[in-house]
Amino acid sequence: AQTVTQSQPEMSVQEAETVTLSCTYDTSESDYYLFWYKQPPSRQMILVIRQEAYKQQNATENRFSVNFQKAAKSFSLKISDSQLGDAAMYFCAYRRGHAGNTPLVFGKGTRLSVIA
Amino acid sequence: GAVVSQHPSRVICKSGTSVKIECRSLDFQATTMFWYRQFPKQSLMLMATSNEGSKATYEQGVEKDKFLINHASLTLSTLTVTSAHPEDSSFYICSARDSRDSNSPLHFGNGTRLTVT
Repeated sequence: AQTVTQSQPEMSVQEAETVTLSCTYDTSESDYYLFWYKQPPSRQMILVIRQEAYKQQNATENRFSVNFQKAAKSFSLKISDSQLGDAAMYFCAYRRGHAGNTPLVFGKGTRLSVIA
Repeated sequence: GAVVSQHPSRVICKSGTSVKIECRSLDFQATTMFWYRQFPKQSLMLMATSNEGSKATYEQGVEKDKFLINHASLTLSTLTVTSAHPEDSSFYICSARDSRDSNSPLHFGNGTRLTVT
């Protein structure tokens, strides 16, 4: 079974600074997706960024970027120029293959605080 | 963009009663929907995969007779918590992706906070 591990239960960052959230995963599959979701206090799940395993280039979305190390099964999220609105729970997630009926498997999450 | 509507957002019920939660895909069809459960300060745990026109697939440890899932159309899945008990109090979230595009992201409903008294 696939597992996703987030080893940092909590992180904090100064406003405008950069923070990196860690995620490792375990799978024997070669075809998969990786995601970072943000869950603010409203508990709405918001997709931050996603990465297809077959793509070597790291995904980037504005201030958010990932460091995808496929051999090491590592998928960290870097948030640049942190803003107060970035404060939330962040979940790393894995999805096997391309079939439409495959669910996401989530890590335990990292609570990010942003200090003004 | 694609939206998943989940209703109700909050429900309080008495122990022993049943509660139905609806999950609708508003502008896309979803042959598969997923139901997750989230305890306070914890992660989302997959409960079951809802399949249109067929039986749901439940994760290990999830009682199918307690958590009834019906996916009668391509845009609606329902989760019924039967004979609810206080330990069923939790946050339930549904999700779905456009079945016409397997590469499409998973969209989440806003969740339902269930409190059983």
